[in-house]
Amino acid sequence: AQRVTQPEKLLSVFKGAPVELKCNYSYSGSPELFWYVQYSRQRLQLLLRHISRESIKGFTADLNKGETSFHLKKPFAQEEDSAMYYCALSGLNNAGNMLTFGGGTRLMVKP
Amino acid sequence: DGGITQSPKYLFRKEGQNVTLSCEQNLNHDAMYWYRQDPGQGLRLIYYSQIVNDFQKGDIAEGYSVSREKKESFPLTVTSAQKNPTAFYLCASSLQITGELFFGEGSRLTVL
Repeated sequence: AQRVTQPEKLLSVFKGAPVELKCNYSYSGSPELFWYVQYSRQRLQLLLRHISRESIKGFTADLNKGETSFHLKKPFAQEEDSAMYYCALSGLNNAGNMLTFGGGTRLMVKP
Repeated sequence: DGGITQSPKYLFRKEGQNVTLSCEQNLNHDAMYWYRQDPGQGLRLIYYSQIVNDFQKGDIAEGYSVSREKKESFPLTVTSAQKNPTAFYLCASSLQITGELFFGEGSRLTVL
């Protein structure tokens, strides 16, 4: 069975500090991983996916198959980064090839 | 404003009553999904549909039912058999079954 774990429910940092949101997964095949973000009063939306290897809003995430991790990082946090972040894995489960979401991490960036 | 529209945003119901949540999309997406969002548990898949007149159970389908009579619409019925129906429900769609998901604003259901 596939599983996504985000160990921190809440992460609080000061503006300008580095931020790392942790995501670990378990999956027997070759995973495709995503980060989704939900800003206050906005819809849940895709932030980035590992296959595109791009930086969005200063965030990057590297897939580490050895550690089965896909941590989201940003060197200098901004107040507008405050949001709920979900890590997700696309793989086969009992519903077919579906996205499995982690429990989410709320990031608070303090001024 | 194109995208996915969910209604109502807030809904209250008494125990024992069925309630239907609406989800409409104008993105011409083939796949549609219903997720349930509970604090600390992330999003859990209830049902999904890849094409019209076809749908599959997700991880937590018990107590829910859906229909997909039109490509644009994927309503979810929360039946009285759902033991813990108070939750935030999210509808999503994607061009393909493994593509990027586009979400609605959600519907919050409270059972009194």
